[in-house]
Amino acid sequence: SQTIHQWPATLVQPVGSPLSLECTVEGTSNPNLYWYRQAAGRGLQLLFYSVGIGQISSEVPQNLSASRPQDRQFILSSKKLLLSDSGFYLCAWSVGTGWDQPQHFGDGTRLSIL
Amino acid sequence: KQEVTQIPAALSVPEGENLVLNCSFTDSAIYNLQWFRQDPGKGLTSLLLIQSSQREQTSGRLNASLDKSSGRSTLYIAASQPGDSATYLCAPRRGSQGNLIFGKGTKLSVKP
Repeated sequence: SQTIHQWPATLVQPVGSPLSLECTVEGTSNPNLYWYRQAAGRGLQLLFYSVGIGQISSEVPQNLSASRPQDRQFILSSKKLLLSDSGFYLCAWSVGTGWDQPQHFGDGTRLSIL
Repeated sequence: KQEVTQIPAALSVPEGENLVLNCSFTDSAIYNLQWFRQDPGKGLTSLLLIQSSQREQTSGRLNASLDKSSGRSTLYIAASQPGDSATYLCAPRRGSQGNLIFGKGTKLSVKP
């Protein structure tokens, strides 16, 4: 069966520090991968998605970037965190062969910026 | 731009009740729609996926319907249990290669 892992589960970072959140998927090949953010009082917002290694699409302009160095690895990064980057970050995957497949989410990373 | 509204924002019911959660979306040109539940501080668990060509999907005590032309979906929960307490999110997918657009959810509390 397929599983998705995100780490760390929680993170407290000072403003201006760098960020690296990692997500890996097991049990499937060539998945579509997604990064979402859930800010307090707001719905989930798609940040990035990827349909293959090195292929990244950005949905909103922001202080963050994403990379996919391996088929089942998706990384969310920032060079300098802002207070507004606080939130709950969720990684998701779906079967890569069709857009009619459901998305499955990891347990998330709660990021607090001080 | 797709906007998704979920009503009510919060709902508290006694155990055993049947209940309906509502989801409306402004752009009816969707590819499919997915329902999730989110427990506090946790990620999302996929409940049901309805394709645009389908009218409903069922899984156990859950039944989701889709009226694409009117931009509405409902999630019906039969014989609610305290373990059903969570936030329920609906998310239509825009277009064949688009991504999920989420509502803010309905927070459900089932009292024993």
